[in-house]
Amino acid sequence: SYELTQPPSVSVSPGQTVSIACSGEGLGNKYASWYQKKPGRSPVLVIYMDSQRPAGIPERFSGSNSGNTATLTISGTQVMDEGDYYCQAWDEIIVIFGGGTKLTVL
Amino acid sequence: QLQVQESGPGLVKPSETLSLTCTVSGDSTNENSYFWAWIRQPPGKGLEWIGSISSGGRTFYNPSLKSRVTISDDASRQRFSLNLHSATAADTATYFCARHEADFTASTYFAHWGQGTLVSVSS
Repeated sequence: SYELTQPPSVSVSPGQTVSIACSGEGLGNKYASWYQKKPGRSPVLVIYMDSQRPAGIPERFSGSNSGNTATLTISGTQVMDEGDYYCQAWDEIIVIFGGGTKLTVL
Repeated sequence: QLQVQESGPGLVKPSETLSLTCTVSGDSTNENSYFWAWIRQPPGKGLEWIGSISSGGRTFYNPSLKSRVTISDDASRQRFSLNLHSATAADTATYFCARHEADFTASTYFAHWGQGTLVSVSS
C-alpha cells in the first residue's frame, strides 16, 4: 500500500523559514495537499495541488512537489503557525495522509 | 456559507456499531455533485481516511477498515452516515466529515471540514 512519510517534528525560530518534507514513491507524479491541525480544531487546508494556496491563507505558505518529495515551506514563520502539519495524496482510489509533523516555533 | 456538522453518540460499547451523521447546510449550489468523506484522528495520532461517497452513492473505503465500514447518504444529499461495525477501543477518535474538492481523483483535497466529534469506545 502507498505510504507518505513525514518527520515527526521540526522547530524554527520566529521570523525564520522552515520546510516540512513529505516523501512517497513517485509522489512528484501525484498531487500533494497540506493541512494545518491544531488541538481541538478542524484541519485547515493550507496548500492544495502541490502549490496552490486557498483564499485566506497567508503568502508565507508555499508548496512544491518533485521526484519523491513534496515540501511545505513557511517563510517568516509566526508563533501562530505552530501546530501539526499533514500531507495528503490520492493513490488508486485511496486517500492517504502522512503521519504528521509537529511544528514548534520558539 | 457551507456548514458541516457531525453528530452522534459520544460513547459506544465494544463490539457495537459506531454510528455518526454528517449534516450539510448553507450552500446548495451544486451540492449534489460533490463527493464526501469521513476522516478520523485517534488521540495523539494522525489523520486517517475512512472512506468516501460519490454523488451517485458509490462508495470507496480504506482497505484497513473496509470489512467494517458502511457509508451512505440520503436522497437530499444533505446527510451522510458512517457506520463502523464491531467497534473496539482502537476506534476511539475524533471523527470528521469533509467535502472532496476536484471529485475523487488524483487532484482531490479537502477544503471544507466539520468541527469533528469525539467518540470513545469503552464499556
